[in-house]
Amino acid sequence: SAVISQKPSRDICQRGTSLTIQCQVDSQVTMMFWYRQQPGQSLTLIATANQGSEATYESGFVIDKFPISRPNLTFSTLTVSNMSPEDSSIYLCSVSGVETQYFGPGTRLLVL
Amino acid sequence: SQQGEEDPQALSIQEGENATMNCSYKTSINNLQWYRQNSGRGLVHLILIRSNEREKHSGRLRVTLDTSKKSSSLLITASRAADTASYFCATDAAGSSNTGKLIFGQGTTLQVKP
Repeated sequence: SAVISQKPSRDICQRGTSLTIQCQVDSQVTMMFWYRQQPGQSLTLIATANQGSEATYESGFVIDKFPISRPNLTFSTLTVSNMSPEDSSIYLCSVSGVETQYFGPGTRLLVL
Repeated sequence: SQQGEEDPQALSIQEGENATMNCSYKTSINNLQWYRQNSGRGLVHLILIRSNEREKHSGRLRVTLDTSKKSSSLLITASRAADTASYFCATDAAGSSNTGKLIFGQGTTLQVKP
């Protein structure tokens, strides 16, 4: 199994600012994933964070808005840039296990 | 985009009753998983069923998969108040070379009344 922590757990931000979310895993993993969960909605994959290469973004998500870093096999960051109220969501990171995925507790973001 | 639909969107039952949630998906899959989420927190993996399996049990959970109908159901028997949560199905795409990417259904919010 994998234990994942995220920082911050929640934040309230002003529009136009940026927030960087950290994801730390207690073991080395090849792939890490970032998901967004808008209020009352399901999870949508933002991107796959690859160690040593650029992240792979899903349709509708771009690097300028959601830059991702993956400096090593246990850590990744997601930045939500130039925020607007529509970015208010829970952001979750996850890693693949054996026939499962492990999720962090999420970062609850409110943009005013 | 979301893989499919789940129904019902919301379900309210009494403790001790059974809860059944359904999930439909659109593309061929390698496997289908069910997750639980408590109060907007992180997801917890419940059970995985492979595309060549039709039924799987884990404790009070029973999952079925019908690949011809591209649908799955999750049955929670003898429900408890602690089962109150949102439940999501998630699929990987067949032929995705084990990328680990999951596509989630819309989810069912279950409330179990004491």
